[in-house]
Amino acid sequence: DIQMTQSPSSVSASVGDRVTVTCRASQGISNWLAWYQQKPGKAPKLLICRASILQSGVPSRFSGSGSGTDFTLTITSLQPEDFATYYCQQANSFPFTFGPGTKVDIK
Amino acid sequence: EVQLVESGGGLAQPGGSLRLSCAASGFTLSSYWMYWVRQTPGKGLVWVSCIKNDDRGTRYADSVRGRFTISRDNAKNTLSLQMDSLRADDTAVYYCVRVTAGRDAFDIWGQGTMVTVSS
Repeated sequence: DIQMTQSPSSVSASVGDRVTVTCRASQGISNWLAWYQQKPGKAPKLLICRASILQSGVPSRFSGSGSGTDFTLTITSLQPEDFATYYCQQANSFPFTFGPGTKVDIK
Repeated sequence: EVQLVESGGGLAQPGGSLRLSCAASGFTLSSYWMYWVRQTPGKGLVWVSCIKNDDRGTRYADSVRGRFTISRDNAKNTLSLQMDSLRADDTAVYYCVRVTAGRDAFDIWGQGTMVTVSS
């Protein structure tokens, strides 16, 4: 199975800050990468698929980039509702696997 | 409305069994790859089992292989996870999840059902 890693594991930020989360795959996955947001007590929500395709209804302050093994999720101008845990997930091969998550909390 | 609703979670003793069900509405479950994903309290997301739309392709995480069985009831439009020989480290919230038609992400998640294994 493909292993996914994320950095940092947590980040403290303020409203209005720019936040970047990095995800790395153990082997090349082209652009078969998705990002999810999870808030406490809730199921994860799909934000981005195919590394950079924003899902309908997701604010444009979220963006994704990368291909191969290295990927980035960027949140420009962090909003109060963005404090959550973010997971990357590869969809290049069966079974799909997740990164360990990055918690974005309030500084 | 497209949704997944899990049921069947609860308290089980070590060595016991539980059967989780996931009822799909708004779409035909048999047309999609489906996963069970679990999350230990305060921890990350881990895939447990998955089934392809042709029902011939199933996979299990090493930690549950030989103990858990994934299956589908097409007539009832439901997905199931039979969990036997439960262990304390199976304690988690279990999510039923749909893979997109493009097979590039998980687009529909159930609300999750809590499984607690304890004596």
